[in-house]
Amino acid sequence: DIQMTQSPSTLSADVGGRVTISCRASQNIRSRLAWYQQTPGKAPKLLVYKASSLESGVPSRFSGSESGTEFTLTISSLQPEDFATYFCQQYNNYPWTFGQGTKVDVK
Amino acid sequence: QVQLMESGGGVVQPGTSLRLSCTASGFTFSDHAMHWVRQAPGKGLEGVATVWYDGSNEYYAESVRGRFIISRDNSKNMVHLQMNSLTGDDTGVYYCTRDSNVLTGYYDYWGQGTLVIVSS
Repeated sequence: DIQMTQSPSTLSADVGGRVTISCRASQNIRSRLAWYQQTPGKAPKLLVYKASSLESGVPSRFSGSESGTEFTLTISSLQPEDFATYFCQQYNNYPWTFGQGTKVDVK
Repeated sequence: QVQLMESGGGVVQPGTSLRLSCTASGFTFSDHAMHWVRQAPGKGLEGVATVWYDGSNEYYAESVRGRFIISRDNSKNMVHLQMNSLTGDDTGVYYCTRDSNVLTGYYDYWGQGTLVIVSS
């Protein structure tokens, strides 16, 4: 199975700040990476697919990028509704696997 | 608008069975693969099972293979998860999710989830 390693596990940030979350794949996944946002008690929501394609309706402050097997989710200016847990997921090889999550909380 | 509504969760004893159902609306159901994804309390996400858009093939996580069966009824816009020989490790919220297409592997819509608790 492909292992997805996210870092950090927890990140503290201020409203208006820039946030960067990393996800590393254990092998080449050919850009087949998605990012999800989950707030407490809610289902995850798709933010980004194909490493850098923004899902329809997702604010432009979210962006995804890649370099080899390293993937990054960036929030350019953190808003109050962005305090949540973020998961990456590879869908290149079955079983499709998730990172362990990064919780973004208030600094 | 796309809606996915799960049902069938509950509290069951180890070794017993449970059947989850998901009713879909707001899109052409037969154009999309469907999946079940679960989340143990306070933990991360795990893809459990996948059924192709036409029901012709299924995938299962190693942790449930041989115990769970996913199926779909395109005439009723429903997908089911039959869970047998349940253990405490199967406890969690089970989400019905839609594949973005016939089978890409990522989930563009999620239901609200149904809670399964396996406990004696």
